[in-house]
Amino acid sequence: SQQGEEDPQALSIQEGENATMNCSYKTSINNLQWYRQNSGRGLVHLILIRSNEREKHSGRLRVTLDTSKKSSSLLITASRAADTASYFCATPPDSSYKLIFGSGTRLLVRP
Amino acid sequence: GAVVSQHPSWVICKSGTSVKIECRSLDFQATTMFWYRQFPKQSLMLMATSNEGSKATYEQGVEKDKFLINHASLTLSTLTVTSAHPEDSSFYICSAMGQGNEQFFGPGTRLTVL
Repeated sequence: SQQGEEDPQALSIQEGENATMNCSYKTSINNLQWYRQNSGRGLVHLILIRSNEREKHSGRLRVTLDTSKKSSSLLITASRAADTASYFCATPPDSSYKLIFGSGTRLLVRP
Repeated sequence: GAVVSQHPSWVICKSGTSVKIECRSLDFQATTMFWYRQFPKQSLMLMATSNEGSKATYEQGVEKDKFLINHASLTLSTLTVTSAHPEDSSFYICSAMGQGNEQFFGPGTRLTVL
């Protein structure tokens, strides 16, 4: 079963604009992770934010976590055409090591 | 480091045959690996947790007799889809858990059952 939902399901923006994706989850978590998947490929780990963190940065990526609302957001600044991909949040439910993925956001960055 | 490979990258088979997919951690040992299935334009669904030297743990709704998992060594887990049917056609992705409990994903295997 999926942990939660992501919105929007699809997002189309112009190169240079910022892209924001949101993720909601259902259970308590130790951390939340964001992954990227190019079409028909495996997953690339982008960033992990722990439950006691509120915000984390990595290059052009900014992730926030609100445990009271059980939600997270991923912001990609100054987007590039190469950022076109699907983005998934994933959480390990309870104290498990397995990952439950959100429904994903398909991002299209137009050159 | 932390590279995970899958073999084959794609496979086409006839309905009723069995297909084996391998997942290897190339430069690290992984006592735990995971198998996911992904249908077109959908998210990854966890199928099972593969534990080296013991039986796999299957998620609810996943038939363990249909999806056989063997984790015989610290670097190899295999998923065998038995008596495959067209509805089993999907993208199968594995991941291997590293020492820091992070997961490293393989490139996936696309299975098409005719």
